Amino acid sequence: GNSVTQMEGPVTLSEEAFLTINCTYTATGYPSLFWYVQYPGEGLQLLLKATKADDKGSNKGFEATYRKETTSFHLEKGSVQVSDSAVYFCALSDNQGGKLIFGQGTELSVKP
Amino acid sequence: IAGITQAPTSQILAAGRRMTLRCTQDMRHNAMYWYRQDLGLGLRLIHYSNTAGTTGKGEVPDGYSVSRANTDDFPLTLASAVPSQTSVYFCASSVQRGQEQFFGPGTRLTVL
Repeated sequence: GNSVTQMEGPVTLSEEAFLTINCTYTATGYPSLFWYVQYPGEGLQLLLKATKADDKGSNKGFEATYRKETTSFHLEKGSVQVSDSAVYFCALSDNQGGKLIFGQGTELSVKP
Repeated sequence: IAGITQAPTSQILAAGRRMTLRCTQDMRHNAMYWYRQDLGLGLRLIHYSNTAGTTGKGEVPDGYSVSRANTDDFPLTLASAVPSQTSVYFCASSVQRGQEQFFGPGTRLTVL
């Protein structure tokens, strides 16, 4: 079945460091891919998305490229801030029933 | 304010009691979803509804029931709560199934 695997956290970085959070997926067909962010005590918010191969989603300095050949959708940011501290979830949309399948989440902590 | 509201914010419940978690959206979205979030497991889909009057089972439906009498409301009922249902519950909606989902703030439920 469809699944999403993320790198385990927590990830701890200093402010202005480069961020990569790895995400790979297993799916039949051509799913849409998403990154969601969850700030402490809040619900999930959509960060960015890509709907077809080679699409690049971007928002708030974060980027991720839909790589079908490697079945990956890694999240990157060139210079993280303390305010980026949150849990990040990679997800795919099941084109069969339209349901989201989430990875287990990666906690990011950015220190000043 | 447009969006999704959930009630209650948190609840402590004795095992064996019945509990309904409420979810309301004012965005006129067709699809709605219930997830539970557990540490290390990410979010898992409990039930979903693609449109008013229809519901479907997700990944972990046992012990839960839902109804979708109208577009706006999607309550989740635990008929007889058990400690393993201790979790944070998130309601979400999307314009149509398969599209990006918008999440509520969550309900923290503790079953003793």
